[in-house]
Amino acid sequence: NAGVMQNPRHLVRRRGQEARLRCSPMKGHSHVYWYRQLPEEGLKFMVYLQKENIIDESGMPKERFSAEFPKEGPSILRIQQVVRGDSAAYFCASSPGTANYGYTFGSGTRLTVV
Amino acid sequence: TQLLEQSPQFLSIQEGENLTVYCNSSSVFSSLQWYRQEPGEGPVLLVTVVTGGEVKKLKRLTFQFGDARKDSSLHITAAQPGDTGLYLCAPSTKAAGNKLTFGGGTRVLVKP
Repeated sequence: NAGVMQNPRHLVRRRGQEARLRCSPMKGHSHVYWYRQLPEEGLKFMVYLQKENIIDESGMPKERFSAEFPKEGPSILRIQQVVRGDSAAYFCASSPGTANYGYTFGSGTRLTVV
Repeated sequence: TQLLEQSPQFLSIQEGENLTVYCNSSSVFSSLQWYRQEPGEGPVLLVTVVTGGEVKKLKRLTFQFGDARKDSSLHITAAQPGDTGLYLCAPSTKAAGNKLTFGGGTRVLVKP
């Protein structure tokens, strides 16, 4: 039973390019969450999605960042025109109908902007 | 906006020693979760506490939820190098729904 799958594990982009991060939730989980983590820091909430809907995007920068969770396929976190400050580890988590049972996290995508 | 504080930020101990880390807030939580994150990996859920005053044990780990449900502690007995990691608390509130806000974490290093 595969857990949350994130790919790629490592992504290197030049300034100005686009970064696409993918997340396949755990089987049976319909809620997906994206978090960003800088070195030596905790997790910062970015966005919460259910199938085809954005529930809460209060942690997402207003420009250059977008997220989707289509009816079919993985959730995508898209960062346009990346800058050095976007370098971080991006974690995806999923949960069933309620978060009371906890999140299952993926192993993350480490984005490096050069 | 709830203020969530984890302390200490960093803890370095020798194998076999005990340690306690704390998660405090001025807000009342409906439940609280503890996660451990190892380097290069995502956090892994350790426990969920729900009832004020609740104590849960997971082998050498003891989790306590404060009576007023505003704070929690994690105690590790006879720490081992495998306990090394970042310990994160994540409280739930009704207002936040399914969204979890994580504390800054306590980084624990257990030296052999």
